[in-house]
Amino acid sequence: AQKVTQAQTEISVVEKEDVTLDCVYETRDTTYYLFWYKQPPSGELVFLIRRNSFDEQNEISGRYSWNFQKSTSSFNFTITASQVVDSAVYFCALSVFTGTASKLTFGTGTRLQVTL
Amino acid sequence: DTAVSQTPKYLVTQMGNDKSIKCEQNLGHDTMYWYKQDSKKFLKIMFSYNNKELIINETVPNRFSPKSPDKAHLNLHINSLELGDSAVYFCASSQATTATQYFGPGTRLTVL
Repeated sequence: AQKVTQAQTEISVVEKEDVTLDCVYETRDTTYYLFWYKQPPSGELVFLIRRNSFDEQNEISGRYSWNFQKSTSSFNFTITASQVVDSAVYFCALSVFTGTASKLTFGTGTRLQVTL
Repeated sequence: DTAVSQTPKYLVTQMGNDKSIKCEQNLGHDTMYWYKQDSKKFLKIMFSYNNKELIINETVPNRFSPKSPDKAHLNLHINSLELGDSAVYFCASSQATTATQYFGPGTRLTVL
């Protein structure tokens, strides 16, 4: 069975601060995918990034960066110079691909509040 | 262009009624999903269809019945609605050869 833990339920930062959202996962599969999704106050789920289990290279996209470490089963997400528009609930998720479908197992989410 | 769309966006109904939520995707994907997000924001998969065939069926009451008329559509019919069915229901789609799922805007169901 898959499990994703996001221990931080809520984080509050002041604009321009850097913030890291933690994600720890559990799976016995050797091939899996890790994701981050953003859910802004408007409610939609926005795909941010996918990482497969064989690719531990860190990734940077603008102010966003992701750190994947298999040794600690973690896939952390850092927002540099946070902005008010970053305020949202962020979900980490894990999927194991069956060949025809992948079932996403979500963490409980971290609510990020960025204030002026 | 909307990639994954759901109708209606809001659905308010009485206990015991039957209702349907429709989902359509224009991404050319062959796999579609339904997820439920409860009041605490927890997201859990309900069903998955690949090319109109049911692939994933989680522990969901049989009052919930998905229907896939073609690979671009996956509808969710709910019979005898209960208070506990109140939630946001998300449709998603992916290509079977990849794992990335793209989500619709969600349907907020309120059962009174």
